[in-house]
Amino acid sequence: AQSVTQPDIHITVSEGASLELRCNYSYGATPYLFWYVQSPGQGLQLLLKYFSGDTLVQGIKGFEAEFKRSQSSFNLRKPSVHWSDAAEYFCAVGAPGGGNKLTFGTGTQLKVEL
Amino acid sequence: DVKVTQSSRYLVKRTGEKVFLECVQDMDHENMFWYRQDPGLGLRLIYFSYDVKMKEKGDIPEGYSVSREKKERFSLILESASTNQTSMYLCASSLSSRGPGYTFGSGTRLTVV
Repeated sequence: AQSVTQPDIHITVSEGASLELRCNYSYGATPYLFWYVQSPGQGLQLLLKYFSGDTLVQGIKGFEAEFKRSQSSFNLRKPSVHWSDAAEYFCAVGAPGGGNKLTFGTGTQLKVEL
Repeated sequence: DVKVTQSSRYLVKRTGEKVFLECVQDMDHENMFWYRQDPGLGLRLIYFSYDVKMKEKGDIPEGYSVSREKKERFSLILESASTNQTSMYLCASSLSSRGPGYTFGSGTRLTVV
């Protein structure tokens, strides 16, 4: 079965600084990988996804993520954070051929200091 | 845009009550899911459904059941609510042909007292 680890529970960055949120997965082959964002009191919104091909994936709101097979990682990055990016971020993994189920990490809470 | 609508944003129920959480999607998605979200635990899959009248257990099905009588509606049922079922419940749907990649509802925050 697949699993996801987000090692950072909380991260604080200054507005305008760069951001990297870590995600490590466990799966025997190349999985489907996702990043979602959740604003307070809301459901989750898809930021980006990786199925195959180019390992650098562009998403919405200026986010990108890079799939690194050798490190079993799919880290989320943004070059310059805005105060409105404060939210909780979830990494998720799905198994190709395993139906449409996703397994989520425990989330990283991002705080942005003005 | 696909919309996934959860009927209640907030619910307060008493221990032992039977509770129904409703989820409706409007884009003909085959797949529907119920997760619960708790601080520090992330999202955990309760039940899911790939088609009408079919259901499969997720990782934490105990104390829950589901119903899918129509393609657009997926109901989560707490047969006898308990305080440890106080949580945020999230419904999601997806289209099989596009692979996994959910659209989520806004969630129902359930408090069992």
